[in-house]
Amino acid sequence: EAQVTQNPRYLITVTGKKLTVTCSQNMNHEYMSWYRQDPGLGLRQIYYSMNVEVTDKGDVPEGYKVSRKEKRNFPLILESPSPNQTSLYFCASSFGANSPLHFGNGTRLTVT
Amino acid sequence: QKEVEQNSGPLSVPEGAIASLNCTYSDRGSQSFFWYRQYSGKSPELIMSIYSNGDKEDGRFTAQLNKASQYVSLLIRDSQPSDSATYLCAVNEGDSWGKLQFGAGTQVVVTP
Repeated sequence: EAQVTQNPRYLITVTGKKLTVTCSQNMNHEYMSWYRQDPGLGLRQIYYSMNVEVTDKGDVPEGYKVSRKEKRNFPLILESPSPNQTSLYFCASSFGANSPLHFGNGTRLTVT
Repeated sequence: QKEVEQNSGPLSVPEGAIASLNCTYSDRGSQSFFWYRQYSGKSPELIMSIYSNGDKEDGRFTAQLNKASQYVSLLIRDSQPSDSATYLCAVNEGDSWGKLQFGAGTQVVVTP
């Protein structure tokens, strides 16, 4: 089954404790992207990747890191999480930047 | 900052009626336009993509694009209770193809 898999689905952590949210897709998509969704603000793009080893900032990259060492994986790293990063995170992938996105099931992160 | 704007709603629609959703965008260079549906607590799923001016129909859904006026709309015909969801408009940035801007979404409530 074609899918984008995010893990974990739920995560509660404390301020400053490094964490990684994994994202993997099995559709051989070149384009991958991370979004956060907050009430009233919609989906905001954090980082995106056009291909392996090619990443770029979205609109809200501060406090996040990404890497794209393999085509299928695009992990999101929070090196020192803060409470304002409490949000619902979605990973998505597509064949290209102008193609429709396939979304993962989301990761609900709470930073206390 | 490139902007994508939608009425937040809720848009209340009687069952069987037409729901009309509008989206305006600020980037004249945008080339790709998408409508996603998101049920509460779920990830967004693609309803329609549109790339050229005019209408595009898919079942009960019709997307309309007018690049000169910088708006894209979605019509839902014969609305069903299962159409009750938040509809997200997404627009790519013309000079940075990897960047995708989402509107905050319009909540649609179909009443029996």
